[in-house]
Amino acid sequence: AQKITQTQPGMFVQEKEAVTLDCTYDTSDPSYGLFWYKQPSSGEMIFLIYQGSYDQQNATEGRYSLNFQKARKSANLVISASQLGDSAMYFCAMRESRNSGYALNFGKGTSLLVTP
Amino acid sequence: AAGVIQSPRHLIKEKRETATLKCYPIPRHDTVYWYQQGPGQDPQFLISFYEKMQSDKGSIPDRFSAQQFSDYHSELNMSSLELGDSALYFCASSGLAGGSSYEQYFGPGTRLTVT
Repeated sequence: AQKITQTQPGMFVQEKEAVTLDCTYDTSDPSYGLFWYKQPSSGEMIFLIYQGSYDQQNATEGRYSLNFQKARKSANLVISASQLGDSAMYFCAMRESRNSGYALNFGKGTSLLVTP
Repeated sequence: AAGVIQSPRHLIKEKRETATLKCYPIPRHDTVYWYQQGPGQDPQFLISFYEKMQSDKGSIPDRFSAQQFSDYHSELNMSSLELGDSALYFCASSGLAGGSSYEQYFGPGTRLTVT
């Protein structure tokens, strides 16, 4: 079963506007972490932001913030003041605690296009 | 800041050939992960190593093997290549050096094309 669900295959946003990319997750593990990565057309996977399940406050990194709603099992990425360079594929991923290793489960991704 | 290094960046092989991909983690990171991303797909976890020991195994075919060496670099060996192995192969590393032990930083990837 898919553990990470990104329901928006594609999104459009105008430059300088804010945009929210949705991510819901499924786990019974009390200790887990949620990540967002950006993948431009060049292919590299760029780490954006991390939220731990025990973190009391929502994570923020510059123009990126994570709207973490634990009871609803959602971890939406908010990009403020969009820029043309934000056009890319965005992946939500989850790390669950394991006896060893913390491999990431990825969602299917959301393609974001920022227009002038 | 130093990042994860992968080599080669591009590789073209024929069916049934072998390929070796290399990964050099961020200095002082002790964990390496390998992921495979097919065209238009999300990355899929293959295998990971912690302190030179295999720590977790995902959907890695039996034709593939990997190891982590004493200097923490890792190699992914792929034999009897098939057309379906054409993909972008990422290596990621994590460790306490410079941040959370949970944050995984990805290399630029090796794009493997099997013809």
